[in-house]
This record gives sequence, C-alpha cells and structure tokens, in this order.
Amino acid sequence: SQQGEEDPQALSIQEGENATMNCSYKTSINNLQWYRQNSGRGLVHLILIRSNEREKHSGRLRVTLDTSKKSSSLLITASRAADTASYFCATDEETSGSRLTFGEGTQLTVNP
Amino acid sequence: KAGVTQTPRYLIKTRGQQVTLSCSPISGHRSVSWYQQTPGQGLQFLFEYFSETQRNKGNFPGRFSGRQFSNSRSEMNVSTLELGDSALYLCASSSLGGTELFFGSGTQLSVL
Repeated sequence: SQQGEEDPQALSIQEGENATMNCSYKTSINNLQWYRQNSGRGLVHLILIRSNEREKHSGRLRVTLDTSKKSSSLLITASRAADTASYFCATDEETSGSRLTFGEGTQLTVNP
Repeated sequence: KAGVTQTPRYLIKTRGQQVTLSCSPISGHRSVSWYQQTPGQGLQFLFEYFSETQRNKGNFPGRFSGRQFSNSRSEMNVSTLELGDSALYLCASSSLGGTELFFGSGTQLSVL
C-alpha cells in the first residue's frame, strides 16, 4: 500500500520557472527521500532528509520536512527541459527497517 | 563502478507460465530489494534480501518468490502468471547501513 500522497499528480511549467511538489505520509519515519524516474526507467536518488532535519539543499533542489504535519516538499529552481520526469517521495518507516514506501509520484513536464 | 544490472529488459509471457528475473547489484552492496511498479498501484515493495536471507517481505501472494546468492546477485520468480502481473519490476541495491537505494533500469513484464 502507498504510504503517502503526492500533490500535484501532474505539473507543467516553462523552462526557468520553479517547480514545487508536495508529499504527505501517514506514519512516523526515520527519513524521507526523493527519487526521480525518467519514463520507463529505474529511479535515481535525489536527496535524503532525516526526521530531525527541517530543510536541506542540493544544487537546484530544496527539500523541507514538517514531521508535525507529516509532509514534505521538493522545490526545483530554475527548471530545465531535462528535469522532465516523475518525482517520488519515499519514506523509511521507523518499524519497517530498510524497506521504503513510495508515494504516487508527480509527473513534471518542463516546456522549452 | 558498474550500476545495478537487471536482465532481461523486456519479457512477454502468457497466463499460467512462470518467469525468472535477474538482478546484479553494485559491487560491494549486499542488500537487494525488489519493487513492482504499475500505473494503478504505483511502486509496491516485494521483498528484500541481505546476505542470502530474506529480511523483509511485502504483501504479495506466494506466487512471488526470490532468492539471493552468495555473490549478492538476486533472482525473483513469479509462478502461474496472471494478467495483473504485467508491470515494471525494479531491483535496487544498497550498501550496509545505507538508506539510499540504487535502482536498475527494470524488467518490463507483459503477461498476455
């Protein structure tokens, strides 16, 4: 079963604009990760934020985590056409060991 | 360092048949996880193996099984295939104590 929901399901923007995706989850977590998937391919890890962190940056990516609201957001700044992909959040629940539970994903389209 | 390798890339089977998928993890990674991805259910955890032992299992019927060899390579088997088993099967490996998953490109299984 899915741990969380992602919002929006689809997002279409122009190159240079910022893209924000949100993720909600249901249980207590150890950490939250974001992955990217190009059509029909494997997932690529983008960034991890631990449950005791509130914000993290990596290049053009900014992730926030609000454990009180059980939600996270991923911001991609100055988007490029190459950022077109599906983005998934994944949680590492406190009781599940190493198993990740993925959200439903946001399909991002960046138009040149 | 070579990435996670999954074979075959595509498979077409008919209902009732069985199938075996293969995964070679990144060198030095001893944990291998399997996920099923479908448009309707998203990414669902199948199982995880570590040092030839199943460490975690998702909510799939017994027709889905797996194993891991001493060289950390893993196989998953699906017996008595059903139409609903059509999916992208993704394998991921991780290092000892690592939470980031490194995914292969997946095996696209079509059941006719």
